[in-house]
Amino acid sequence: KAGVTQTPRYLIKTRGQQVTLSCSPISGHRSVSWYQQTPGQGLQFLFEYFSETQRNKGNFPGRFSGRQFSNSRSEMNVSTLELGDSALYLCASSLNSRQGYEKLFFGSGTQLSVL
Amino acid sequence: AQKVTQAQTEISVVEKEDVTLDCVYETRDTTYYLFWYKQPPSGELVFLIRRNSFDEQNEISGRYSWNFQKSTSSFNFTITASQVVDSAVYFCALFSGGYNKLIFGAGTRLAVHP
Repeated sequence: KAGVTQTPRYLIKTRGQQVTLSCSPISGHRSVSWYQQTPGQGLQFLFEYFSETQRNKGNFPGRFSGRQFSNSRSEMNVSTLELGDSALYLCASSLNSRQGYEKLFFGSGTQLSVL
Repeated sequence: AQKVTQAQTEISVVEKEDVTLDCVYETRDTTYYLFWYKQPPSGELVFLIRRNSFDEQNEISGRYSWNFQKSTSSFNFTITASQVVDSAVYFCALFSGGYNKLIFGAGTRLAVHP
């Protein structure tokens, strides 16, 4: 069974640009959540999607958005990039909607560098 | 407030030593879940264990063991006879319905040297 797949693995952008990251969950998993990992702030929850609906959102500005498609694949978008957005973005999937109660399966992440 | 504290930033041991990673949590909820995840250099977090607040029974899985004590709000993780492959960053995490988000500790970087 294939794991959680995130693309691209690495990304370099400049300030002001926008970026879209992709996540394909494990087959059969309907919940997808996104996390930002930085050396200073650690792992922080961005948002969670289930059946194409955003079920929960972390404390991030509106520049961070996401969506989920009918096949459970998810994308997250960051507009007007800032230097502080440089981070490892991790996607996780689980079977059901209550992501916190279930164990999560993580992808290897997308390392975003903003110059 | 929901909080997870992993006071040990980095731990360095020699292979075959036992090592304990500390985790202290804060929550006002009576129902909550605690987790440990491992992050190897490849980047993906790997689930190790989940424990709910009503189950204080300690657990052993091979060389891994967990000690959950509600009285001290701690959920510590011990690796017995450590191996080089155990080198990774280990995260403790907390989820409760009242907060509805998975909160991670800052992580403990474990280096096991041959």
